[in-house]
Amino acid sequence: AQSVTQLDSQVPVFEEAPVELRCNYSSSVSVYLFWYVQYPNQGLQLLLKYLSGSTLVKGINGFEAEFNKSQTSFHLRKPSVHISDTAEYFCAVSTRGGYNKLIFGAGTRLAVHP
Amino acid sequence: NAGVTQTPKFQVLKTGQSMTLQCAQDMNHNSMYWYRQDPGMGLRLIYYSASEGTTDKGEVPNGYNVSRLNKREFSLRLESAAPSQTSVYFCASSDGDYTDTQYFGPGTRLTVL
Repeated sequence: AQSVTQLDSQVPVFEEAPVELRCNYSSSVSVYLFWYVQYPNQGLQLLLKYLSGSTLVKGINGFEAEFNKSQTSFHLRKPSVHISDTAEYFCAVSTRGGYNKLIFGAGTRLAVHP
Repeated sequence: NAGVTQTPKFQVLKTGQSMTLQCAQDMNHNSMYWYRQDPGMGLRLIYYSASEGTTDKGEVPNGYNVSRLNKREFSLRLESAAPSQTSVYFCASSDGDYTDTQYFGPGTRLTVL
């Protein structure tokens, strides 16, 4: 069975500082990895996804993530955050043959302060 | 193009009451999903529908039923609400392949007293 661990439940950061949100996964088969963002009082929307190929994936709003198979990680990074990045971020996995059922992590709340 | 819509946005029920949450998508997606979101637990899959006419249980199906009315609509029913079902419910849709993006509705905040 697959599982996803987001190592930080909350990450406070000042505006224009860099940020890394950590995600580790567990799976006995090949995985496909996703980061979704949830702005306050809204549904989730896709930030980026890793399917294959280059391990560095670029997404919307200046975010990027790196797939590291040996460390089973998929950490999300942004070099300079804005107040508008304040949101909850979810890492998720799906697997071939697992249909399109996503397994989500518990989420990381990013709070950007002026 | 509204994407995924959900009704109602908010609902308060008493223990034992029933209700149906409605979801519709206009993206011609084959697959639809119902999740619940609880603090510190992320999103958990309740039921999903791979295609019109099929439904399957997810991780936490107890206490819920679903209907895939047609390709556009997927409803979630609570037959006898319990306080443990207090949560935010999200509907999502996708083309169905395991690499596909899921598109989420705005959610329904349900409180069971």
